[in-house]
Amino acid sequence: DVKVTQSSRYLVKRTGEKVFLECVQDMDHENMFWYRQDPGLGLRLIYFSYDVKMKEKGDIPEGYSVSREKKERFSLILESASTNQTSMYLCASTTWFEPQHFGDGTRLSIL
Amino acid sequence: DAKTTQPPSMDCAEGRAANLPCNHSTISGNEYVYWYRQIHSQGPQYIIHGLKNNETNEMASLIITEDRKSSTLILPHATLRDTAVYYCIPTLGDYKLSFGAGTTVTVRA
Repeated sequence: DVKVTQSSRYLVKRTGEKVFLECVQDMDHENMFWYRQDPGLGLRLIYFSYDVKMKEKGDIPEGYSVSREKKERFSLILESASTNQTSMYLCASTTWFEPQHFGDGTRLSIL
Repeated sequence: DAKTTQPPSMDCAEGRAANLPCNHSTISGNEYVYWYRQIHSQGPQYIIHGLKNNETNEMASLIITEDRKSSTLILPHATLRDTAVYYCIPTLGDYKLSFGAGTTVTVRA
């Protein structure tokens, strides 16, 4: 089975901090994704990557950046955390023409 | 992306079949219909997908109408662990999944 592991289930940070969310997959997938999920808004794509060192903006990239230095790892960075970035963050991975596999999410609170 | 309409909620008795409808009347000819579910406090889980033909796997069956404007996900013998939000997602497979509100399914003992 595909395993997508997010480094933290719960995280509390302060406004203005730089926040790193880590995601690792064990299936040698080319494609990795970061979403955020908010009540009433569904899942929204922040960034995705289809290869090492490659990245593409999703629907809501503002305030975020990503890093993919190794194929199995995709990091989401909140450059200067703000309260409106309090959310559930979900990472997913897939290979071409296959369904996405999701991690269990990181519930991030920005105080 | 095609718009979808799903009932907001549905109850089902344990052991009975659960039939979850989805309308996607604006689906394009090359869009697949994917179904995911999300159990509370977990990430979404892939269930099944199809293009034109009906599909079955170990989790569920997917019935797609001939005009492809709607589909039904069937959980043949619902268990308490099937309580979740179920999402119907038409997609080209270009990885930009768009999750709407879905159907909250509650399986009751």
